[in-house]
Amino acid sequence: DAGVTQSPTHLIKTRGQQVTLRCSPISGHKSVSWYQQVLGQGPQFIFQYYEKEERGRGNFPDRFSARQFPNYSSELNVNALLLGDSALYLCASSLALKGQEVDGYTFGSGTRLTVV
Amino acid sequence: GDSVTQMEGPVTLSEEAFLTINCTYTATGYPSLFWYVQYPGEGLQLLLKATKADDKGSNKGFEATYRKETTSFHLEKGSVQVSDSAVYFCALSASSGGYQKVTFGIGTKLQVIP
Repeated sequence: DAGVTQSPTHLIKTRGQQVTLRCSPISGHKSVSWYQQVLGQGPQFIFQYYEKEERGRGNFPDRFSARQFPNYSSELNVNALLLGDSALYLCASSLALKGQEVDGYTFGSGTRLTVV
Repeated sequence: GDSVTQMEGPVTLSEEAFLTINCTYTATGYPSLFWYVQYPGEGLQLLLKATKADDKGSNKGFEATYRKETTSFHLEKGSVQVSDSAVYFCALSASSGGYQKVTFGIGTKLQVIP
């Protein structure tokens, strides 16, 4: 069974540009979360989606947006990129039952975004 | 808000040494606790978990016990190997506004030398 897959693996963008990152959860997992991991720090929560609805949002500006599709895959969009957006973006899926995460998260390998 | 505090690294040990990485947390309610491991260039892998007080999570020789009285979840291994070199993250999962939010610590880098 495939794990959580993210694409692309690496990306270089210029300040002011827009970027879209993609995530496919483990088969059967309906909850997808996005995290930003700056070098040397722990992951910071950005969004959580369940059944195509946003369930939670971290302390990130409106330049960050996301959505979840009927097949539970997800996209993270970042507009007007800043140098400080350079980070590893991690997607995690979980088997959420009645609003409870049961087994913790399974993470993808991430997308390394560099803004120049 | 919820928070996780773990010892800052790097931690350097010789092979077969005993490992302890301290982790304490602050949370309302009854969080679940996790240790994740991140190898260079990779995403995070769930190492072990505990969902209630006094539970012991274990995997690959690593152990951690959920101590509610001291709000701690220290990671231990009796004999580390070079292959254990990685960054270890302590995390908690708790209800927040109708969803489960995971909060991570800063991570502790472990380097095991032969």
